[in-house]
Amino acid sequence: EAGVAQSPRYKIIEKRQSVAFWCNPISGHATLYWYQQILGQGPKLLIQFQNNGVVDDSQLPKDRFSAERLKGVDSTLKIQPAKLEDSAVYLCASRKPGLTGELFFGEGSRLTVL
Amino acid sequence: AQSVAQPEDQVNVAEGNPLTVKCTYSVSGNPYLFWYVQYPNRGLQFLLKYITGDNLVKGSYGFEAEFNKSQTSFHLKKPSALVSDSALYFCAVPYGNNRLAFGKGNQVVVIP
Repeated sequence: EAGVAQSPRYKIIEKRQSVAFWCNPISGHATLYWYQQILGQGPKLLIQFQNNGVVDDSQLPKDRFSAERLKGVDSTLKIQPAKLEDSAVYLCASRKPGLTGELFFGEGSRLTVL
Repeated sequence: AQSVAQPEDQVNVAEGNPLTVKCTYSVSGNPYLFWYVQYPNRGLQFLLKYITGDNLVKGSYGFEAEFNKSQTSFHLKKPSALVSDSALYFCAVPYGNNRLAFGKGNQVVVIP
């Protein structure tokens, strides 16, 4: 079974530029999450999708962050314009139906904002 | 609100010695609790979970965790640590509709 795929693995941009991250979850996993992991902290949920609908985006900074999952499969997270404090690893995860709390994570996309 | 706390930043242990990573929880109702591990430059991996039943839960890679209701703790343990166990360990609790809240993490360093 293929895992959660994310790209790019690393990205360096200047502040006020834009960036997009892509995620392809495990086949058949309807629930998809984007987490932000700042160095020295635990992952923080940004947005949760169920198929192509948003379940929770209460912690997504909507003035600069956006995410979509148009066909209910892969997803894109965009930051525009980026700030220095957005430097973090962006983790995508998906959940197998019926398994509470057991998330499958991708390797993450590490963003550095200069 | 459901939350977990990991009081230590780093745990150093000699190879072959017992390893303990601490986690305390604050939840309403019956707690579901999880441990995840993150190896360098990798995503998080599920280790084990407590849902109900036996207070000692066994998981992947020889890890186990002990649920203690009176102390509101869910400490992760391994009888004999390996150098390859050096990683970040996160305790987590579900909330809302299948979301997970993570602790700040513990860096485990196993010294050869």
